[in-house]
Amino acid sequence: GAVVSQHPSWVICKSGTSVKIECRSLDFQATTMFWYRQFPKQSLMLMATSNEGSKATYEQGVEKDKFLINHASLTLSTLTVTSAHPEDSSFYICSARDFQGSPFGAFFGQGTRLTVV
Amino acid sequence: TQLLEQSPQFLSIQEGENLTVYCNSSSVFSSLQWYRQEPGEGPVLLVTVVTGGEVKKLKRLTFQFGDARKDSSLHITAAQPGDTGLYLCAGEGGSNYKLTFGKGTLLTVNP
Repeated sequence: GAVVSQHPSWVICKSGTSVKIECRSLDFQATTMFWYRQFPKQSLMLMATSNEGSKATYEQGVEKDKFLINHASLTLSTLTVTSAHPEDSSFYICSARDFQGSPFGAFFGQGTRLTVV
Repeated sequence: TQLLEQSPQFLSIQEGENLTVYCNSSSVFSSLQWYRQEPGEGPVLLVTVVTGGEVKKLKRLTFQFGDARKDSSLHITAAQPGDTGLYLCAGEGGSNYKLTFGKGTLLTVNP
């Protein structure tokens, strides 16, 4: 299957600082990527849909100004958590769809464990 | 809003036992996918089912898509400790290729 790489895999930051997470599709082009948040032992919660060359589409209840998404190329989307606070601590995962490859599905990055202290 | 009800939420069994995980919805999906996730990692795609009534097998795992494309099941035969993980079903049916995820089934297979 296709490969999606997410970086960093974990990050610890001080409250009030910003953190950038990168999501790259390594062997295919992704016009659409998705950003999820996951709490321990729970399912994935979609935060936003990242569209190459245009503004991201945010899910209801997700603050656009807090979670900045940039999808500047067909292989890279970034999520910036601005002015992070302890309640932003979570596991963030990106995914991309490969519509040309097999099997047809979504491929996920390794996830980023964010801890805000 | 499309919803996927996944059950059971937790399952702890002994090595060698069989199990079935269910995903049900009142909505029709164009495809349904199953993922397995280990702690601290992203979900890994196991299978995609597209046709109503479709059955796919992946070694000891059997996936079925309901005739009406509203539900799916995952059956594991002779479970092994290596099968331990969070199993997620996800349906596609909305716009912009978004996936609707079930709440997940946390499976523990004890040796």
